[in-house]
Amino acid sequence: AQKVTQAQTEISVVEKEDVTLDCVYETRDTTYYLFWYKQPPSGELVFLIRRNSFDEQNEISGRYSWNFQKSTSSFNFTITASQVVDSAVYFCALSGVWTGNQFYFGTGTSLTVIP
Amino acid sequence: ETGVTQTPRHLVMGMTNKKSLKCEQHLGHNAMYWYKQSAKKPLELMFVYSLEERVENNSVPSRFSPECPNSSHLFLHLHTLQPEDSALYLCASSQGTGGSPQGYTFGSGTRLTVV
Repeated sequence: AQKVTQAQTEISVVEKEDVTLDCVYETRDTTYYLFWYKQPPSGELVFLIRRNSFDEQNEISGRYSWNFQKSTSSFNFTITASQVVDSAVYFCALSGVWTGNQFYFGTGTSLTVIP
Repeated sequence: ETGVTQTPRHLVMGMTNKKSLKCEQHLGHNAMYWYKQSAKKPLELMFVYSLEERVENNSVPSRFSPECPNSSHLFLHLHTLQPEDSALYLCASSQGTGGSPQGYTFGSGTRLTVV
């Protein structure tokens, strides 16, 4: 079964705090891709990152970093020194090569950064 | 400007009305999608078009009827909807139906309210 679980429904942090958004996935594919998307109040989902299942290197992009661990089937997202503009809903998604490449999204985590 | 434009942004319709949602992309992508986003639920894939051919229909009720006249345009025709169909309807496009390096590009969505 293909499934993405984002157990944190809502998170509130004070500006400049670090925050980690959790993502746990299930897949029977050996080759798959993991994504994070940001959905600001305007509605569109903005692509943040894509990782493939063979690349477990952690990635850092400015204040954003991602921790991919196959052993725990997790792909967590950390925002360092959060800002009010980071307030949004964040979705983790899974796409598997052998399952027709359909995207499976989690239910999203709503992040509120308080000034 | 996301590259994928959806109109209208908001739509209120009665259960006996007929309306259409429009999606347009100028990214040169060859695949387009309709997703439904309801509160507290994962994004639900409704339809997938690749090279203007429908390749997937995820058991969507017949009151939703998609149309893809060319690779740049996608419509979702609505008729005799139910209140539970109220949701944010997101259009997305991609180059190929797999997990492309940039994932999907999403539009801002149409917020549909059925009264």
